[in-house]
Amino acid sequence: DVKVTQSSRYLVKRTGEKVFLECVQDMDHENMFWYRQDPGLGLRLIYFSYDVKMKEKGDIPEGYSVSREKKERFSLILESASTNQTSMYLCASSFYGISQHFGDGTRLSIL
Amino acid sequence: GESVGLHLPTLSVQEGDNSIINCAYSNSASDYFIWYKQESGKGPQFIIDIRSNMDKRQGQRVTVLLNKTVKHLSLQIAATQPGDSAVYFCAENLTNQAGTALIFGKGTTLSVSS
Repeated sequence: DVKVTQSSRYLVKRTGEKVFLECVQDMDHENMFWYRQDPGLGLRLIYFSYDVKMKEKGDIPEGYSVSREKKERFSLILESASTNQTSMYLCASSFYGISQHFGDGTRLSIL
Repeated sequence: GESVGLHLPTLSVQEGDNSIINCAYSNSASDYFIWYKQESGKGPQFIIDIRSNMDKRQGQRVTVLLNKTVKHLSLQIAATQPGDSAVYFCAENLTNQAGTALIFGKGTTLSVSS
């Protein structure tokens, strides 16, 4: 089975901090994705990557950046955390962008 | 805008009943659709998918129906069990210049009572 592992289940940070969310997949998938999930808004795509060192903006990239130095790892970076970035963050990976497999999420609180 | 949505945010059924969760999509060029199940505290889990050249696909206790004429997708769960209680999302595969990406609906919360 595909395993997508997010480094933290719960994280509490302060406004202005630089925050790193890490995601690792073990199936050699080319594609990786970062979403945030908020009540009433569903899953919204932040960034995605189709290959190492490649990234594309999703629907809501503002305030975020990403890094993909290795195929199995895709990092989401909050450059200067703000309270409106409090959310559940979900990482996913897939082969050719379909049938995405998700991690269990990181619930991030910005105080 | 182009988006995928679900008709009802919540659905309550009795154990043993059949459940039907609906989804409307707006992108007629979409060629692939997926249903996900998300249990509390977990990430979305793949349930079943269907390609646009099909109108029905069956899995174990689940059936997905696709009506391209009215751009409607449904998930049918037979003999619903308490373990089926979760949020269900449909997703639409959209291909653009950057490649392919999934667009998710907002989800329907299914509650199964004994």
